[in-house]
Amino acid sequence: KNEVEQSPQNLTAQEGEFITINCSYSVGISALHWLQQHPGGGIVSLFMLSSGKKKHGRLIATINIQEKHSSLHITASHPRDSAVYICAVSNSGGGADGLTFGKGTHLIIQP
Amino acid sequence: ETGVTQSPTHLIKTRGQQVTLRCSSQSGHNTVSWYQQALGQGPQFIFQYYREEENGRGNFPPRFSGLQFPNYSSELNVNALELDDSALYLCASSLAVGTLSGRTYNEQFFGPGTRLTVL
Repeated sequence: KNEVEQSPQNLTAQEGEFITINCSYSVGISALHWLQQHPGGGIVSLFMLSSGKKKHGRLIATINIQEKHSSLHITASHPRDSAVYICAVSNSGGGADGLTFGKGTHLIIQP
Repeated sequence: ETGVTQSPTHLIKTRGQQVTLRCSSQSGHNTVSWYQQALGQGPQFIFQYYREEENGRGNFPPRFSGLQFPNYSSELNVNALELDDSALYLCASSLAVGTLSGRTYNEQFFGPGTRLTVL
């Protein structure tokens, strides 16, 4: 069983819809990361959080440490939001900070 | 502020050859992590360097090795290339503060990747 599970694997929605992507993890973590990857490979860090909620523009990330669950929300979705969204966790415990990644959610926003 | 850069962008090698990939970390960062992303998969952690020393390693064989230089740039070396080494290789830099028992890592910033094809 993968330590980081994302759902859904694929999501197609219409422009303007509210999008939610979920991430569950099974290990103790020091932080959870939401990343965006476009075709061609470049990865952009969207959020790094260890508690509560963060907001940046139309993106909102929440985490519930007790339930080992995080969600990424996109409000007023737009075709340019189409990308792969990846959840990753740090479980450094003071040592290395190598991330463990989920398999990603492939999001397509249709005009 | 200079972002994370990687070179080369693409590379084709044959089985058994050796390859060196390079990563320049973002200004002010002291930690570099390397990841391998096979087609259609999520990235896998190879290893991390902090202040020129290997800080941790994922489940990769010893033929994957690395270096970090005093300016915190880094190299990934892969010997005896195999077909399954074909992948996108990503590096990410970050700033770590504190001692080993209580080190805090800040956000990782990724480079554009090097796509390696092994024939």
